[in-house]
Amino acid sequence: QSALTQPASVSGSPGQSITISCTGTSGDVGGYNYVSWYQQHPGKAPKLMIYDVSKRPSGVSNRFSGSKSGNTASLTISGLQAEDEADYYCSSYTSDSTVFGGGTKLTVL
Amino acid sequence: QVQLQESGPGLVKPSQTLSLTCTVSGDSISSGGYYWNWIRQHPGKGLEWIGYIYYSGSTYYNPSLKSRITISLETSKNQFSLKLSSVTAADTAVYYCARAGGDTAPFDYWGQGTLVTVSS
Repeated sequence: QSALTQPASVSGSPGQSITISCTGTSGDVGGYNYVSWYQQHPGKAPKLMIYDVSKRPSGVSNRFSGSKSGNTASLTISGLQAEDEADYYCSSYTSDSTVFGGGTKLTVL
Repeated sequence: QVQLQESGPGLVKPSQTLSLTCTVSGDSISSGGYYWNWIRQHPGKGLEWIGYIYYSGSTYYNPSLKSRITISLETSKNQFSLKLSSVTAADTAVYYCARAGGDTAPFDYWGQGTLVTVSS
């Protein structure tokens, strides 16, 4: 059982927007602004998409955005494209480790 | 461009020690400022952080695995290594090495991952 809770799957049509939630506790997501999001295509290593809740690394499309409210962080992908179909994982710093969510499979219809 | 590459046996017998090495190119692990991590992913499952080592040699491990983990540096080869003792089938996973810019920083560069199966 993962420390952070994500929906198992979400879907959307090309051009639409979707949001993936990541729920933790005051000991992780709610307590620190160190939430990251990773995209993983099948058979590939995860790729950093968002860090520090809402910052984008260089080279990541501005269609990806992050936010946080209380113990829940969110990843929003706007203008869905076929290439966005992948697994997405959130992670958070805690005082004694880094914890991940169980992952969300995004299907682009 | 920073690149990381895992290497090691793909099959380990139960109760033995899993040993993996991560070779880093495009950056010096002894230059300071970065934390060198191991992360694993059980088949079809989510990610689990294992631990990190800093260029100074200081380490920090996942409390749930701490008793079985050793992470070490080999600066002359620009490598760092993972040893996980007393393995069981539950340790079967894809093991990744990854770089982070600090203990609160995200994992910005990852290796491609290597599958380790624990089986007799």
